[in-house]
Amino acid sequence: DAKTTQPTSMDCAEGRAANLPCNHSTISGNEYVYWYRQIHSQGPQYIIHGLKNNETNEMASLIITEDRKSSTLILPHATLRDTAVYYCIVRVQAGTASKLTFGTGTRLQVTL
Amino acid sequence: DVKVTQSSRYLVKRTGEKVFLECVQDMDHENMFWYRQDPGLGLRLIYFSYDVKMKEKGDIPEGYSVSREKKERFSLILESASTNQTSMYLCASMPYLADGLYEQYFGPGTRLTVT
Repeated sequence: DAKTTQPTSMDCAEGRAANLPCNHSTISGNEYVYWYRQIHSQGPQYIIHGLKNNETNEMASLIITEDRKSSTLILPHATLRDTAVYYCIVRVQAGTASKLTFGTGTRLQVTL
Repeated sequence: DVKVTQSSRYLVKRTGEKVFLECVQDMDHENMFWYRQDPGLGLRLIYFSYDVKMKEKGDIPEGYSVSREKKERFSLILESASTNQTSMYLCASMPYLADGLYEQYFGPGTRLTVT
């Protein structure tokens, strides 16, 4: 699986957009980009995934560059409850179970 | 809603004890996972199972074993607990989907302290 690089930490003011970058320069053509987050004292939670098109759901938007070497998770209007560690994961889509490799993620602090 | 429950939120055991961590999911998922999480190291996969009685080693299986006798239950066993196994243990489950969407559902975690 391709390795990902994320900043260790970021701050964002409440109500502003939080843009979390992820570099995955060795991604291959059949690998998807997944984002999870982990709020303090809870297990990780799936947010969104994509292959090459931009994706949006009720939680966030995922922007993947045309060369697919990097992506950005966007929380359009961050709230204090979005304070969490965000993990960017690259994984082949496969039929049987296989592991997700979580790195150390980006710690997002949303402030008043 | 998918629910993944773990038998304890906090557990304190002594060195050398045999420890069982239980995980139960209520959504008939085929796949289940055990991770441990340590500061600065992120989540690391210990074992996973894609069917009853089936198991696969993850990245750090040493010192652990698992059991999956029923579809809804996945147990992590520390045969002889050691202090370096003090950690947060997270269980997850995931359905089998033809397109392989990797949406794992996590439990709340068990913080194990070995003294």
